[in-house]
Amino acid sequence: GAVVSQHPSRVICKSGTSVKIECRSLDFQATTMFWYRQFPKQSLMLMATSNEGSKATYEQGVEKDKFLINHASLTLSTLTVTSAHPEDSSFYICSALQGIDGYTFGSGTRLTVV
Amino acid sequence: ELKVEQNPLFLSMQEGKNYTIYCNYSTTSDRLYWYRQDPGKSLESLFVLLSNGAVKQEGRLMASLDTKARLSTLHITAAVHDLSATYFCAEETSGSRLTFGEGTQLTVNP
Repeated sequence: GAVVSQHPSRVICKSGTSVKIECRSLDFQATTMFWYRQFPKQSLMLMATSNEGSKATYEQGVEKDKFLINHASLTLSTLTVTSAHPEDSSFYICSALQGIDGYTFGSGTRLTVV
Repeated sequence: ELKVEQNPLFLSMQEGKNYTIYCNYSTTSDRLYWYRQDPGKSLESLFVLLSNGAVKQEGRLMASLDTKARLSTLHITAAVHDLSATYFCAEETSGSRLTFGEGTQLTVNP
């Protein structure tokens, strides 16, 4: 089946630094990818929709300048958390729509900001 | 406001028993998803329900969709320990956006 590869799986960074998370669709072209954030014991919240070749669409309350999304090709979307702070520590998950089969999710990235 | 409500949020059951998780959603979406999440892991797709009256079964899990009642159910038959996980339903709305329920944390005890 369709696979979305997400890296890194875990990252620890210092407060004030930036972290880039990559999601690649391995055997299909993903014109649209979605980025979610999940805090411990909570549900997934959609942060933004990433469209290949155009600007991302952010959900209300998500800072565009802090969470930079780039979708430069049909198989790669990146999320950069800029000037990370401890409150940004979370589990970040990407997904891509696979037509009628639904959504395929990446394996997630556990970000810890110290 | 889009809202997807699951109940129960916590479910502890014994092996061999049956139980149902309910998912109420707020819009007229006809597409409903069920996912499983193990601790520290991402989501695993279980079912995609595309139309009113849809019923899908995989092993000990069966999902159904009633679009008129805006209700989906995930029924567990003869639970086993391996089914312990958190289960999410999600409604798809315009723009291919998924709105997730709060999740149901299922624990199956021997």
